[in-house]
Amino acid sequence: QKEVEQNSGPLSVPEGAIASLNCTYSDRVSQSFFWYRQYSGKSPELIMSIYSNGDKEDGRFTAQLNKASQYVSLLIRDSQPSDSATYLCAVSSGSARQLTFGSGTQLTVLP
Amino acid sequence: NAGVTQTPKFQVLKTGQSMTLQCAQDMNHNSMYWYRQDPGMGLRLIYYSASEGTTDKGEVPNGYNVSRLNKREFSLRLESAAPSQTSVYFCASRPGQGDTGELFFGEGSRLTVL
Repeated sequence: QKEVEQNSGPLSVPEGAIASLNCTYSDRVSQSFFWYRQYSGKSPELIMSIYSNGDKEDGRFTAQLNKASQYVSLLIRDSQPSDSATYLCAVSSGSARQLTFGSGTQLTVLP
Repeated sequence: NAGVTQTPKFQVLKTGQSMTLQCAQDMNHNSMYWYRQDPGMGLRLIYYSASEGTTDKGEVPNGYNVSRLNKREFSLRLESAAPSQTSVYFCASRPGQGDTGELFFGEGSRLTVL
């Protein structure tokens, strides 16, 4: 059974702090990893993708991947109230490269 | 460039009624998907179409049918709606084989079955 697990939260951090979001996956042959942000009532939007072990930085966002531990994380530095949303971890695997989503972590950044 | 367009955005049905959710993309993508999203459940794949002329079941296909009308359009049909199908439905697309796997989503269709 392919699974993607996330802490459901909610996670609250003060403005300016670092928010850390975690995700584990069960399919060892997973190839691509994504973080989507979803504001309430809106559709998911891609914010980060990562394909190889290590860190990938894009502005205030850093994605970290450890395939041996089957673990992917998202760090948000200098968190802003506009970062308040649900963050979905998604993992692509198999010949059809289907995306399997976690249940999401709700983040609230407090002013 | 509209991306992925879904209609309708909101719909209320009575148990047993039927309806079709429409999805169209203008990005020349090969693969299209229908997901449903329920509170605390994340996104679950209903059906997908890897390319024009093909469709396959996803994780939760029961109670649904799909049609890949052409490369642009992928519709989802509920033949006899049930309250358990109350959900938010998202259509998504991606270029296809050899791409990164990133999905592009429509705005969602909010369905309530009474």
